[in-house]
Amino acid sequence: DVKVTQSSRYLVKRTGEKVFLECVQDMDHENMFWYRQDPGLGLRLIYFSYDVKMKEKGDIPEGYSVSREKKERFSLILESASTNQTSMYLCASSFERGQVGGELFFGEGSRLTVL
Amino acid sequence: RKEVEQDPGPFNVPEGATVAFNCTYSNSASQSFFWYRQDCRKEPKLLMSVYSSGNEDGRFTAQLNRASQYISLLIRDSKLSDSATYLCVVLDISNFGNEKLTFGTGTRLTIIP
Repeated sequence: DVKVTQSSRYLVKRTGEKVFLECVQDMDHENMFWYRQDPGLGLRLIYFSYDVKMKEKGDIPEGYSVSREKKERFSLILESASTNQTSMYLCASSFERGQVGGELFFGEGSRLTVL
Repeated sequence: RKEVEQDPGPFNVPEGATVAFNCTYSNSASQSFFWYRQDCRKEPKLLMSVYSSGNEDGRFTAQLNRASQYISLLIRDSKLSDSATYLCVVLDISNFGNEKLTFGTGTRLTIIP
């Protein structure tokens, strides 16, 4: 069964802290993505990666960075968390190159609150 | 105008009824279309792709109207388990081959016993 696992379901951090959100997929997918989901705004793409050590900016990359050292793992990093980064973060993966061509499989999400 | 627009609802529908909702998109050159379903506090999951000729999967029917730039989702004989938020998703491909998926904000559906 397809599995995308996000390391933390709920996090509470303070302004200025460094935050790591980890995502692991066990399907040998090429492509991995980080989205954030906010009420009234839908899912917005932060960063994506089509290969190990490769990353591309999405629509809202400011304030974020990513790391993909291994095919199965894609990390989202908030260097200095701010209150406007309070959100639900969703990791996704897909098999075929590109965001579609194949289905997007999402993790359960990480709800981050920045105080 | 938003790139992908959905009526947020909520749609409160009695069990067994038929319900339909639309999603409009702004780019007439959009390539592909999808419906995802998201249960409360859960992740989105692909419900169905939307083909030009329309397609059906059990009680669910998806239609595409390119002339008016909208897609629709029809649910027949609705079940309590259909209660969820339905996300419209549109794929655009640029001249350079770059793909962009745009998610709508979702339509919330509640099936009432």
